[in-house]
Amino acid sequence: GAVVSQHPSRVICKSGTSVKIECRSLDFQATTMFWYRQFPKKSLMLMATSNEGSKATYEQGVEKDKFLINHASLTLSTLTVTSAHPEDSSFYICSASFQTGYNSPLHFGNGTRLTVT
Amino acid sequence: SQQGEEDPQALSIQEGENATMNCSYKTSINNLQWYRQNSGRGLVHLILIRSNEREKHSGRLRVTLDTSKKSSSLLITASRAADTASYFCATAGAGSYQLTFGKGTKLSVIP
Repeated sequence: GAVVSQHPSRVICKSGTSVKIECRSLDFQATTMFWYRQFPKKSLMLMATSNEGSKATYEQGVEKDKFLINHASLTLSTLTVTSAHPEDSSFYICSASFQTGYNSPLHFGNGTRLTVT
Repeated sequence: SQQGEEDPQALSIQEGENATMNCSYKTSINNLQWYRQNSGRGLVHLILIRSNEREKHSGRLRVTLDTSKKSSSLLITASRAADTASYFCATAGAGSYQLTFGKGTKLSVIP
């Protein structure tokens, strides 16, 4: 089945540094990937839609200069948290659909637990 | 804005019992999907039901959709300890791949 690989699974960084999270579609091409953020015991909040070869579309309230998204190929999207602060600590999850058509399920990575100290 | 709202927020049952979770949403949808999340992990797709469908089955899962009431339910029959997880409904609007997730139901199945 379709697999989405996300790396790293856990990262701890110091305040002010930047962290890059990778999301790969392993056996399919994904023109669109989605980045979500999840707070403890909360739902998933869509941060941005990553489009291959073009700029990401950010949801309202998400700072595009802080959460840089690059979708340089059909199998890789990256999310870089720049100048991280403790409030950026969260669980970040990417997803992609390998099927065409809007009635297609999303396949999720296993998420990245970011802790900013 | 939050679309789906699951009910209950938490559910604890004995192994072998059935578990029912409900989801309500606010706007028109193209489809509604249910996902499962084990603690600290990503989401796993369980079932997708289109707006013109009323019921769908997959193994021990049964999903219903009532578009007039803007609600859906997920039934897990003969629950197992391994079913312990959080379950989320998510809706997709017409012409969109984007999903809007509810807050989830945390299911605990006691052996």
